[in-house]
Amino acid sequence: DAGITQSPRHKVTETGTPVTLRCHQTENHRYMYWYRQDPGHGLRLIHYSYGVKDTDKGEVSDGYSVSRSKTEDFLLTLESATSSQTSVYFCAIGRERYGTEAFFGQGTRLTVV
Amino acid sequence: GENVEQHPSTLSVQEGDSAVIKCTYSDSASNYFPWYKQELGKGPQLIIDIRSNVGEKKDQRIAVTLNKTAKHFSLHITETQPEDSAVYFCAASVQRDDKIIFGKGTRLHILP
Repeated sequence: DAGITQSPRHKVTETGTPVTLRCHQTENHRYMYWYRQDPGHGLRLIHYSYGVKDTDKGEVSDGYSVSRSKTEDFLLTLESATSSQTSVYFCAIGRERYGTEAFFGQGTRLTVV
Repeated sequence: GENVEQHPSTLSVQEGDSAVIKCTYSDSASNYFPWYKQELGKGPQLIIDIRSNVGEKKDQRIAVTLNKTAKHFSLHITETQPEDSAVYFCAASVQRDDKIIFGKGTRLHILP
C-alpha cells in the first residue's frame, strides 16, 4: 500500500478521552491527508498537510487537530472523543499539488463508547 | 462549497455486462478526476484517473470519460467480473486548495 502505515488499526475508547492516530509514510510525499468514512457520507476530509508544520482544515475539522513535525508522520488527535467520532479513519499521501494520485492507508476503525 | 455528486449509490449488473457510474462536480477549475475502488476492509485504491485536457482514457476493461462543459465524468467497466464487486468513488480536485473531494460512493454488485 504505497508505504503507508496507520496505527492503531482498531481502537475502542471512552467518551471524553483524548485519542491520537498515527500515519507514517516511507514515500517522502509532501502531501498528507486525514479522512473519515461513514455510511452514506463517503470520504470526508478532516485535515491535510502540505509540508512539515504546514496544515489546513478540511470540511469536517471540528473536534480534531493534527500535527506534522516530520515529513513521514502525520498525527490526528481527537481532543475529547465523542460518539459522533466513531468512524473509520483513513490517511492518504500525495506527491503533487492539487491532489494527484493520493494513496490510502488501510484505515483505523475507532469506536467511542 | 465545492461538491461531487455520484450516481447511482447501488448498482447490480449481470456478470459479463457493462457498468456505468456517473459523477458531476461543481468547481469549474477542477482539473484532475480520479476513480477509486474500495474492497471490504481495505483502503481506497486508485484504478484510473483523467485530467481536464483529455476527454477519454482507457485501461483494459475500464474507461473514464470527461465532459468539462457539462462538468460530468463517468466510469465505464466492460465485461464485468466477480472481482469487480466493490465500492467505487469518484473525486475531483479543488484548485484553490491542495485537496480532492470525493463522491459518496457506488456499491457495485456483480451477479452470477
